Amino acid sequence: DGGITQSPKYLFRKEGQNVTLSCEQNLNHDAMYWYRQDPGQGLRLIYYSQIVNDFQKGDIAEGYSVSREKKESFPLTVTSAQKNPTAFYLCASKPLAGSYEQYFGPGTRLTVT
Amino acid sequence: SQKIEQNSEALNIQEGKTATLTCNYTNYSPAYLQWYRQDPGRGPVFLLLIRENEKEKRKERLKVTFDTTLKQSLFHVTASQPADSATYLCALDVLDSNYQLIWGAGTKLIIKP
Repeated sequence: DGGITQSPKYLFRKEGQNVTLSCEQNLNHDAMYWYRQDPGQGLRLIYYSQIVNDFQKGDIAEGYSVSREKKESFPLTVTSAQKNPTAFYLCASKPLAGSYEQYFGPGTRLTVT
Repeated sequence: SQKIEQNSEALNIQEGKTATLTCNYTNYSPAYLQWYRQDPGRGPVFLLLIRENEKEKRKERLKVTFDTTLKQSLFHVTASQPADSATYLCALDVLDSNYQLIWGAGTKLIIKP
């Protein structure tokens, strides 16, 4: 099956710890995105990448880091510098040409206490 | 400031009726607008895309209109069913946004049997 996967579904961490969220796609898409979703707010872009070994900051990149070593993978690290990390995190991908829609993974709900 | 607004209150509709959701924006000139469906705890799923030069788009029981003068899109679900209950998100694509979408917060639609 083609698709985009995120793991784990639920993640719990103590304040001060870094945590890495996984995102893998087998759709052969060039572009990948990380969003944060909070109640009552639209999806907010954290980072995006259009090609391997290159990525750009989105609107709320502070306290987050990413890597894009492979086309299929775009992991997100939530660092201890992120002041309010508890949220629902969504990864998405899309081809650079031929389609405008974004394909989303199932999301990871991160709770930091 | 740039804004995209969807009705934050849930929309309750009787089964069989038509549900109409709105998406209003200011200070954008989008090339196109997309609508997604999101079920609780899951990632959004693409439904429809409408371009700035299109007035209306249909897909099965769904219809989207786009009025660039009013800066508004309407999303209609005809002959609504309880299975249509979900949150519906609109997203704008502005041509100079590096493949980014600008997201509304979504409207929760509840179809009562």
